[in-house]
Amino acid sequence: EPEVTQTPSHQVTQMGQEVILRCVPISNHLYFYWYRQILGQKVEFLVSFYNNEISEKSEIFDDQFSVERPDGSNFTLKIRSTKLEDSAMYFCASSEAGVNTEAFFGQGTRLTVV
Amino acid sequence: LAKTTQPISMDSYEGQEVNITCSHNNIATNDYITWYQQFPSQGPRFIIQGYKTKVTNEVASLFIPADRKSSTLSLPRVSLSDTAVYYCLVVGYSSASKIIFGSGTRLSIRP
Repeated sequence: EPEVTQTPSHQVTQMGQEVILRCVPISNHLYFYWYRQILGQKVEFLVSFYNNEISEKSEIFDDQFSVERPDGSNFTLKIRSTKLEDSAMYFCASSEAGVNTEAFFGQGTRLTVV
Repeated sequence: LAKTTQPISMDSYEGQEVNITCSHNNIATNDYITWYQQFPSQGPRFIIQGYKTKVTNEVASLFIPADRKSSTLSLPRVSLSDTAVYYCLVVGYSSASKIIFGSGTRLSIRP
């Protein structure tokens, strides 16, 4: 079964450092998403991406966040200057044709900011 | 964006049928009802999606009445491995290009 792959599975970083979370979506999918989940809380939407540009972003996705699809296969989330409150699980997802179709989620990257 | 309401938690026993009901009173004509499952420390996983009446797959059934203001996810003969959080979502034109997760229903299955 095709799957979304995320690396690393766990990253520890110091406050103020930049981190890049990587995702390889399913190959024929066109829509990509990033979500985060703080421990014990809801899965929160960050950003959706289609046709090489951001389709929609939440209030959480401020100037410290950016996304990129650098090479046609990877989809990255960059957090420029991490804060303690950025500690969370970050999930990448992809879908073939938008939200009306099944979204496949990766296993997540656990980001710990110390 | 159509808001959904579902129970915070439910308990059941192995071998029982579990029904989780979700209300979505302001669902739009072009919206679909979708359910996801999430195990601890894993990403959500799609279970089933429907527009009206009944949809069944190898995992679950989804019942949607004619007015579409609610839906019921039915899990037949649950096992311990069905312990998870279940999210009812409304997706489509009202949600634009994002899937919004609510708090979900935490289902606990006991032996």
